[in-house]
Amino acid sequence: QQQVKQSPQSLIVQKGGISIINCAYENTAFDYFPWYQQFPGKGPALLIAIRPDVSEKKEGRFTISFNKSAKQFSLHIMDSQPGDSATYFCAASRNSGYALNFGKGTSLLVTP
Amino acid sequence: DADVTQTPRNRITKTGKRIMLECSQTKGHDRMYWYRQDPGLGLRLIYYSFDVKDINKGEISDGYSVSRQAQAKFSLSLESAIPNQTALYFCATSEERTGRAETQYFGPGTRLLVL
Repeated sequence: QQQVKQSPQSLIVQKGGISIINCAYENTAFDYFPWYQQFPGKGPALLIAIRPDVSEKKEGRFTISFNKSAKQFSLHIMDSQPGDSATYFCAASRNSGYALNFGKGTSLLVTP
Repeated sequence: DADVTQTPRNRITKTGKRIMLECSQTKGHDRMYWYRQDPGLGLRLIYYSFDVKDINKGEISDGYSVSRQAQAKFSLSLESAIPNQTALYFCATSEERTGRAETQYFGPGTRLLVL
């Protein structure tokens, strides 16, 4: 019943490398796709989000790529830093008035 | 986020006990949510409330109940705790934005251990 499937479960990247996390969804009614970042001992916090009318959104080193026809979206972290080590959750929902459906999360470790 | 507080932060209880987790927010948001997080399972929605008189079941509401005492307060109860309710529990809030998706703001979490 998982409405958003996320992979990989864990990821190890060297400092300066590119981290890529992928998500897929089935419900074509979804039209909001956020990514949340969670550090140990903290609650998740919104990192970046995209709507399906664009194929890419970039904020600093973080980029969401969105493929509507494939019902897939991904998070790219360029020039990954040890401070990016965290758990990342993708999510999807309909517009306002609907709850978020989260993926299972990806634990990212960026090694020095 | 200090605007969303959860009490207690850690709790150990025994099977069969009733326990309440509390959430308070100073963000002035109408919408509040309870999630549980388990390793490898991500965040799963337990209950959500879009205003004081509106309560909705989420994906995994069995064994849980909630109370929205005021706009700023949303409590989660485990009527008779069982070990598989051991998890990290998060409260979240969001502001209604008609026709637009909303950012959810999460509290720091409550770590619950049921023995």
